[in-house]
Amino acid sequence: DAGVTQSPTHLIKTRGQHVTLRCSPISGHKSVSWYQQVLGQGPQFIFQYYEKEERGRGNFPDRFSARQFPNYSSELNVNALLLGDSALYLCASSLDWIVYEQYFGPGTRLTVT
Amino acid sequence: DQQVKQNSPSLSVQEGRISILNCDYTNSMFDYFLWYKKYPAEGPTFLISISSIKDKNEDGRFTVFLNKSAKHLSLHIVPSQPGDSAVYFCAATRSFYNQGGKLIFGQGTELSVKP
Repeated sequence: DAGVTQSPTHLIKTRGQHVTLRCSPISGHKSVSWYQQVLGQGPQFIFQYYEKEERGRGNFPDRFSARQFPNYSSELNVNALLLGDSALYLCASSLDWIVYEQYFGPGTRLTVT
Repeated sequence: DQQVKQNSPSLSVQEGRISILNCDYTNSMFDYFLWYKKYPAEGPTFLISISSIKDKNEDGRFTVFLNKSAKHLSLHIVPSQPGDSAVYFCAATRSFYNQGGKLIFGQGTELSVKP
């Protein structure tokens, strides 16, 4: 079975631009979470979605938004990019929102110049 | 406010010996803990977890110990193999408070297993 997939793999954007990152969960998984990992740190929670509804939100500004589609795939959107948004963005899926073991994709490396 | 801390950025161990990775947490409401392994250019891979109602969980070469009074957990790898060389993250969550989807990660410990 395919694992969590994310696209694109790498992305370079300019300050002030907007970016959309995509994630497809493991087949049968209904919950998707997004994390940001900067160099030298552990992943930091951004959002969790389950059945198209937001179930949790981390300490990130409103420039960050996400949504989940009927097929359980998800998009993370970031507006008005800042240099500090440069990071690895990880998507994780789990069977449902109360299952704690999350399975991560390879991530999207975003560079903001 | 770093609620989950891994105070050792790196650890070097000889092949065949035991690797012990440590993790401390400050939030007494955490009730479920996980360990992940991460290779470069890959996402974290789930290794093993433990609920706060237990103090030990084993899976093959991997054992996690939880000391709730000390707010400390550790991952033991026996015997260590060169393929275990990776960055290891511990994570915690407050499942009882319906926050199972929000994992709080430590900073990671880079394990190097030398042949």
